[in-house]
Amino acid sequence: AQTVTQSQPEMSVQEAETVTLSCTYDTSESDYYLFWYKQPPSRQMILVIRQEAYKQQNATENRFSVNFQKAAKSFSLKISDSQLGDAAMYFCAYNSGAGSYQLTFGKGTKLSVIP
Amino acid sequence: GAGVSQSPSNKVTEKGKDVELRCDPISGHTALYWYRQSLGQGLEFLIYFQGNSAPDKSGLPSDRFSAERTGGSVSTLTIQRTQQEDSAVYLCASSRRSSGDYGYTFGSGTRLTVV
Repeated sequence: AQTVTQSQPEMSVQEAETVTLSCTYDTSESDYYLFWYKQPPSRQMILVIRQEAYKQQNATENRFSVNFQKAAKSFSLKISDSQLGDAAMYFCAYNSGAGSYQLTFGKGTKLSVIP
Repeated sequence: GAGVSQSPSNKVTEKGKDVELRCDPISGHTALYWYRQSLGQGLEFLIYFQGNSAPDKSGLPSDRFSAERTGGSVSTLTIQRTQQEDSAVYLCASSRRSSGDYGYTFGSGTRLTVV
């Protein structure tokens, strides 16, 4: 079974600085999909960024970017110019592709932003 | 609707009582998912509905848990004879595609507290 590991239960960052959240996963697939979700206190999970494993290029969405290292099975999220609104739980998730519907989630990283 | 709607937002119940949690997916989304988020844990898959196909119930933790989806739209998750370990946030999600390769759209969840 696939597993997703987030080794940092909590992180903090100064406003306007950059922070990187780590995620590793275990899979024997070659084509799969990875996601970062943000869960603010409102509890609604919001999709931040998506990466297709067969694409070499790292995904980017405005201030959010990933460092996808396929061989190392690593998928970290970089948040640049951190804002107070970035404070939330962040979850890394994996989908094995080939029509699979399940997402496997890590346990999350709680990010605090210090003004 | 515009988003995934869940009700109630919060529910406190006495141990041994039955509870029903409701999810109204985005219009046109044929796939519907239930996940459970326990304190300090990631998201745990419970059940998946796709159109008129038989649901995947493989994630339901015990026979006290059941779910149905009426008319391919609204879903109800029922927990019978609630126990304290059932306390968690129950998240519903939907997607237009039957696979999870583009992720899901989540609701804001129901926080269930069993006292």
